[in-house]
Amino acid sequence: DARVTQTPRHKVTEMGQEVTMRCQPILGHNTVFWYRQTMMQGLELLAYFRNRAPLDDSGMPKDRFSAEMPDATLATLKIQPSEPRDSAVYFCASGLNFGSYGYTFGSGTRLTVV
Amino acid sequence: DQQVKQNSPSLSVQEGRISILNCDYTNSMFDYFLWYKKYPAEGPTFLISISSIKDKNEDGRFTVFLNKSAKHLSLHIVPSQPGDSAVYFCAASTGNQFYFGTGTSLTVIP
Repeated sequence: DARVTQTPRHKVTEMGQEVTMRCQPILGHNTVFWYRQTMMQGLELLAYFRNRAPLDDSGMPKDRFSAEMPDATLATLKIQPSEPRDSAVYFCASGLNFGSYGYTFGSGTRLTVV
Repeated sequence: DQQVKQNSPSLSVQEGRISILNCDYTNSMFDYFLWYKKYPAEGPTFLISISSIKDKNEDGRFTVFLNKSAKHLSLHIVPSQPGDSAVYFCAASTGNQFYFGTGTSLTVIP
C-alpha cells in the first residue's frame, strides 16, 4: 500500500527552538497539504503545494512558519521560533489535484512545545 | 471563519442501528464534498465523496446525502458496527481551497 510518511512521529521541544517536520508524499501525487489538528479548530489547512509550487499558505503564521518542497519526494514544515500554542498534531496529505479524489494522509507529527 | 461546520461533537449509536452524521457549509461554490474517518494516533482516511451536482452517493454501508438548498450534507452508516467508532470529518473543496469541519466522534455500542 502506498503511504504518506511523516517524521518524526513525536517531538517535544522547548519554547524558542526550531522544529522541522518532514513528509514524503506518495510517488506521483502532485498536490501536498499541511494541516494542523487542534481541539477547537479541527483540521486547519496551513499550506498546500501543486507540482511543488506553493499555492496557498494563508493559513500559516508567516512570521514563524515556513513550508517548502525542495523536491517531489520531500515536503517540510518549519517553525522558528516555536511557541507553546503551536502544540498540536501536524498532518501531511498528498493527492492528485482537487475534486472527488480522496487524499491520503500521513500518521501525523505530534508536537509538544514546553 | 468556519466554512464547514459539524455542530455535533459526539454521537453514540447502538450496534446495528443507523448512524447519521451531519455537516453544514456556507460557501455555495464548493463543488465536492468528502467524508474522512480518523482513528486515534492515525491520519484521517478517505471514506466517500459526492459531487455538488448529485444529491446522493452510496458505497456499501455508507451513503452521503447532499441538500444544496439547505447547504447541508449527511453521512448515513447502516448498519453501524463497533469498528465504525472513530472521528468523522466532513470536508469541502472549491478546486482552489479545501476545508474541513471540526469532526464528530462516533461511538458504536456493542
